[in-house]
Amino acid sequence: AQSVTQLGSHVSVSEGALVLLRCNYSSSVPPYLFWYVQYPNQGLQLLLKYTTGATLVKGINGFEAEFKKSETSFHLTKPSAHMSDAAEYFCAVTLPGGATNKLIFGTGTLLAVQP
Amino acid sequence: DGGITQSPKYLFRKEGQNVTLSCEQNLNHDAMYWYRQDPGQGLRLIYYSQIVNDFQKGDIAEGYSVSREKKESFPLTVTSAQKNPTAFYLCASSPRRGGAEGYTFGSGTRLTVV
Repeated sequence: AQSVTQLGSHVSVSEGALVLLRCNYSSSVPPYLFWYVQYPNQGLQLLLKYTTGATLVKGINGFEAEFKKSETSFHLTKPSAHMSDAAEYFCAVTLPGGATNKLIFGTGTLLAVQP
Repeated sequence: DGGITQSPKYLFRKEGQNVTLSCEQNLNHDAMYWYRQDPGQGLRLIYYSQIVNDFQKGDIAEGYSVSREKKESFPLTVTSAQKNPTAFYLCASSPRRGGAEGYTFGSGTRLTVV
């Protein structure tokens, strides 16, 4: 069965600093991987996803993530944090071509951006 | 534009009352999901449906009920049996198979018991 672990339930960075949110997965086959962002009192919005092809994927708002099979990781990065990046971020995994489309979510990382 | 609409955005319930949260999608997705979100606890799956007239319990189904009479609609009823219903509820949809599209989420309903 798949699972996903997000290291660090709270991450705080200064405005302009590098953002690094960690996600490790467990899966018997190369999975599909997703990052979602949630702003307060809103639903989740897709930031980026890895399905096949290039392992470095770029998403909205300047975020990117790299699928590293050898490390079973899919960490989310952004070179320079903005105040508007303060939100909760969820990593998720699913098996390609599975009988269902169910996503397994991590527990989330709350990103705070200090001025 | 296609999307998911949840209503109402805020809902207040007296203890002992049942309430129904609405979720409608026009994405032509077969699968729909209900999640509960509490501070610091991530997303917990309540119920999901892969196809019309069929649904399965998720991890925390006790005190909740659903129906799936139409492809577009997946309402969630929070019954009086749910001991602690105050939470943020999220509805999502996806294609039934494939996996590459992920989920599309609604904007949520915040339920408060008064």
